[in-house]
Amino acid sequence: QQQVKQSPQSLIVQKGGIPIINCAYENTAFDYFPWYQQFPGKGPALLIAIRPDVSEKKEGRFTISFNKSAKQFSLHIMDSQPGDSATYFCAASTGSNYQLIWGAGTKLIIKP
Amino acid sequence: ETGVTQSPTHLIKTRGQQVTLRCSSQSGHNTVSWYQQALGQGPQFIFQYYREEENGRGNFPPRFSGLQFPNYSSELNVNALELDDSALYLCASSPSLPGGLNNEQFFGPGTRLTVL
Repeated sequence: QQQVKQSPQSLIVQKGGIPIINCAYENTAFDYFPWYQQFPGKGPALLIAIRPDVSEKKEGRFTISFNKSAKQFSLHIMDSQPGDSATYFCAASTGSNYQLIWGAGTKLIIKP
Repeated sequence: ETGVTQSPTHLIKTRGQQVTLRCSSQSGHNTVSWYQQALGQGPQFIFQYYREEENGRGNFPPRFSGLQFPNYSSELNVNALELDDSALYLCASSPSLPGGLNNEQFFGPGTRLTVL
């Protein structure tokens, strides 16, 4: 019940396309859903996060869509660029602590 | 840059040895968490400290221990190293207390530990 399931494992998109990464969770106590971007040899960097009281959040080219009833959330990257090539992780936690539960990651490649 | 630093960057140890990894959080961040990230996987929560007290622990054995100091630095200690301990160890700091409205965690670059 603590798991966060992420798909796909890898994704290749042409420059300008809109990669979509999906995550699903079981624990209804989760109330914070961040997405992190990680480049090789670096720590994860927070991209964008959402709480379950909203269905969508946009920050620049990144959008989170959240479906509370389906217990799913997804990341969309608009006008993707080769510099967006990285591994993306979804995660979840509850307000009582910061114990992030992570998805397995999606390796995204944006082709020029 | 998140302002979270970790040392050393890389470390090689042999099985059975002990290791101490260090993290310096952003000033004012009272909560620090440690994660283990095996190659090709998502990070796994080890434990969290708030104001020098352990505030939660993941599914890791007692040979993984930690300390947090008043100057926003912290340590992860691992005793009796095993081959499977080889991973990237990440620390993350947060400006709010657990249960607060701001869950944001800021990660350091990690320490790559190799156990031979």
